[in-house]
Amino acid sequence: GAVVSQHPSWVICKSGTSVKIECRSLDFQATTMFWYRQFPKQSLMLMATSNEGSKATYEQGVEKDKFLINHASLTLSTLTVTSAHPEDSSFYICSASTLGHANTEAFFGQGTRLTVV
Amino acid sequence: EDQVTQSPEALRLQEGESSSLNCSYTVSGLRGLFWYRQDPGKGPEFLFTLYSAGEEKEKERLKATLTKKESFLHITAPKPEDSATYLCAVPMFSGGYNKLIFGAGTRLAVHP
Repeated sequence: GAVVSQHPSWVICKSGTSVKIECRSLDFQATTMFWYRQFPKQSLMLMATSNEGSKATYEQGVEKDKFLINHASLTLSTLTVTSAHPEDSSFYICSASTLGHANTEAFFGQGTRLTVV
Repeated sequence: EDQVTQSPEALRLQEGESSSLNCSYTVSGLRGLFWYRQDPGKGPEFLFTLYSAGEEKEKERLKATLTKKESFLHITAPKPEDSATYLCAVPMFSGGYNKLIFGAGTRLAVHP
């Protein structure tokens, strides 16, 4: 299957600072990337969908100004958690697809564990 | 409303004890059902895609089947390394995108 690389795999930051997470599709051009958040023992919750070169579409209840998404190229999307607070601590996962999950499997990054202290 | 429900929430098996995981869905016009495996602290790993009722796919000790209302993931003679959370998901078209709706997952623990 296709390879999606997510970096960093874990990060600890101080409350009030910003953290950037990168998601790269290594061997295919991802027209659509998805960002998820996962709490312990819970399933993946979609935060936003991004298409290369256009603004991200956020799910209801997700703050756009808090979670900034940039999809600058067909192989790179970034999620920036701005002014992080302890309640933002979570496991963040990206996935990439060529057809926005239409009849194709999505490939996931390895996830980023964010801890805000 | 499109929904995906998985059961059981958790399953404990002895090594070699076969069992099945269930994924039931209510979506209009199913366009595929995906199974993933997720190990702790890692992203989901793709296992299978099923598109139509009656379809079956196998990979090592795992076999996935699909009916019009649900999918099963059968695990034959499991080993401790099969311990993981198994997630199923279906695509839903919303807001101009096809998005994946995930079930809550089944946490499988296989003991020697």
